Order: sequence, then C-alpha cells, then structure tokens
Amino acid sequence: EDQVTQSPEALRLQEGESSSLNCSYTVSGLRGLFWYRQDPGKGPEFLFTLYSAGEEKEKERLKATLTKKESFLHITAPKPEDSATYLCAVREAAGNKLTFGGGTRVLVKP
Amino acid sequence: SAVISQKPSRDICQRGTSLTIQCQVDSQVTMMFWYRQQPGQSLTLIATANQGSEATYESGFVIDKFPISRPNLTFSTLTVSNMSPEDSSIYLCSVEQGPGYGYTFGSGTRLTVV
Repeated sequence: EDQVTQSPEALRLQEGESSSLNCSYTVSGLRGLFWYRQDPGKGPEFLFTLYSAGEEKEKERLKATLTKKESFLHITAPKPEDSATYLCAVREAAGNKLTFGGGTRVLVKP
Repeated sequence: SAVISQKPSRDICQRGTSLTIQCQVDSQVTMMFWYRQQPGQSLTLIATANQGSEATYESGFVIDKFPISRPNLTFSTLTVSNMSPEDSSIYLCSVEQGPGYGYTFGSGTRLTVV
C-alpha cells in the first residue's frame, strides 16, 4: 500500500527565513508526485507535478525536487502570504488515485 | 485549468438525515474523484466516478453510505447518507487535468452533523 509521510507537521518561520519541507513516499511505481497548497476553508491548489528522480520545478519562492524516495519543497525568503498547509501526494503506476501525506502547516511571521 | 463549482459550500445537518453534494465542472472530464478531509487531517479518497458506470469505492467506504451519481461528463453528486457526527468533514471533488497539470479540486463542502 502506498505511504506518504510529511515532515515536519508544523513550521514557524520568520519572514525571509528559508526552509524545506520533506515528503517521503513508498509507492509501487511512481506516476507522479504532486505538491499542493491549501488555505483554510479552501480546496487544495495545485503547485507542481514531478515525475522522475532528479526533476526540479520552481514557482516564485517555491522549488520542488524529487529523489527515488522523497521530495522536498524549498521555500526561499518566505513572506507571510506563504502561510498555508502544504500537501504532498503520489499517484502510483497502476491507477489514478492520489494518496496524500498529512501535510505541513507553515506559518510565516512578519 | 478546469473550474469546479461545489454546492453547498457548508451545511449543518441533523443526525440520521442525508445530504447531497453537487460538483459541476466547466469542461468535460472522464474521471471525477470524491475526497473526505476530516478535521485537522489530510485528504482521503472516497471513490472514483466515471460517466456511465458504477463508482469505484476505496476500502472503508461503501455505496450505501456514499452513493454517487455521474449522469454526464461535467457533473457528479455525492450523497452522505444516514449521517452521524463522525461524518462531519470537508468533502471535495476533484478532476484530473492532464500530464503536468495535476488534479484540480473544488473549494469543498464543510459538513457539520449535530
């Protein structure tokens, strides 16, 4: 069974203090690792899809990387508006189901 | 990307009653997915709904409790039946956007059962 573990569960940052979120996964054939941002009271907002080890994607202050066992979401010089819960999910080779990790709640203080 | 409208956005229901949640997509999609997000938790897939066929339910979810309709390629409903306080959650529908675009989610329906 697919397993996705995110760490830390919560992260408090000062504005400008860069950090990384971890997503460790176990899946029978990876057909995509997904990062989402979720704000309170809203549905998840798509950020990135990574397909193979070594792949990297960037969007503004966010950069996602992928290895064979884990993915990192790097937040560079975060701003208060980056405060949200960041979710990681995997899709296995057989099927279209997403398995989500527990998320990392990020709070960026000014 | 597709735009998903979910209704209602929130509801407070009496135990023992049922609630039907609607999900409308602004483009035709093959698969629609229904998720549950319990308070403080991450998302768990309830079922996958294809147009013209029975929904496929994940372990721990059954059709009698969560009947799903998929009458066409842009619309689906999820019913939460015979509700109990344990059903209090956010329910979200989702569609796949294609390679590189991930899955798009609706804004969710926040259900409170009292």
